[in-house]
Amino acid sequence: QQQVKQSPQSLIVQKGGIPIINCAYENTAFDYFPWYQQFPGKGPALLIAIRPDVSEKKEGRFTISFNKSAKQFSLHIMDSQPGDSATYFCAATYFGNEKLTFGTGTRLTIIP
Amino acid sequence: DVKVTQSSRYLVKRTGEKVFLECVQDMDHENMFWYRQDPGLGLRLIYFSYDVKMKEKGDIPEGYSVSREKKERFSLILESASTNQTSMYLCASSRPGVAYEQYFGPGTRLTVT
Repeated sequence: QQQVKQSPQSLIVQKGGIPIINCAYENTAFDYFPWYQQFPGKGPALLIAIRPDVSEKKEGRFTISFNKSAKQFSLHIMDSQPGDSATYFCAATYFGNEKLTFGTGTRLTIIP
Repeated sequence: DVKVTQSSRYLVKRTGEKVFLECVQDMDHENMFWYRQDPGLGLRLIYFSYDVKMKEKGDIPEGYSVSREKKERFSLILESASTNQTSMYLCASSRPGVAYEQYFGPGTRLTVT
């Protein structure tokens, strides 16, 4: 019930393409869904987050889409650049919980 | 600039050794976390601390212990290191009630031979 399933495990996209990373969850108590970005040699850092009362959130070239009925959410990167190459983690939590449940990560490579 | 620092970037230890991984944060956060990161397994929580001297087991606490004597410092202890504890260890901190925003250190790559 606490799992967050993330796919794909790795993804290679050409520059300018739109990589899409998908996550699914079972626990309906989850009410906040952040995404983290991790560059090689660094710790993960918060990228963008969404609540289930909205279906989409954009920050720059990064968009989260949320489907509450399907219990799925996804990250899209518009006009992807080689500098976006990183590992991306989805996560979930709920009000009153001080911990995050992370997905297994997606290693994204943007080729020029 | 907020910071979480970890005592070592790389560490090589022998099987059976006692290993200490140190983490310090300068944000006055109550919550601190230790994770291990393995390919294909993501970030798995080892231990969580919500206050000085307070701790809670995470998903994979076996073989590990923790210590938090000061608010800014959280230590992970491997009592008797084993080869299956070879991994990347990440420390993080957060404010209470803001679980979605954790600040991570750069990680310690531990190799147990």
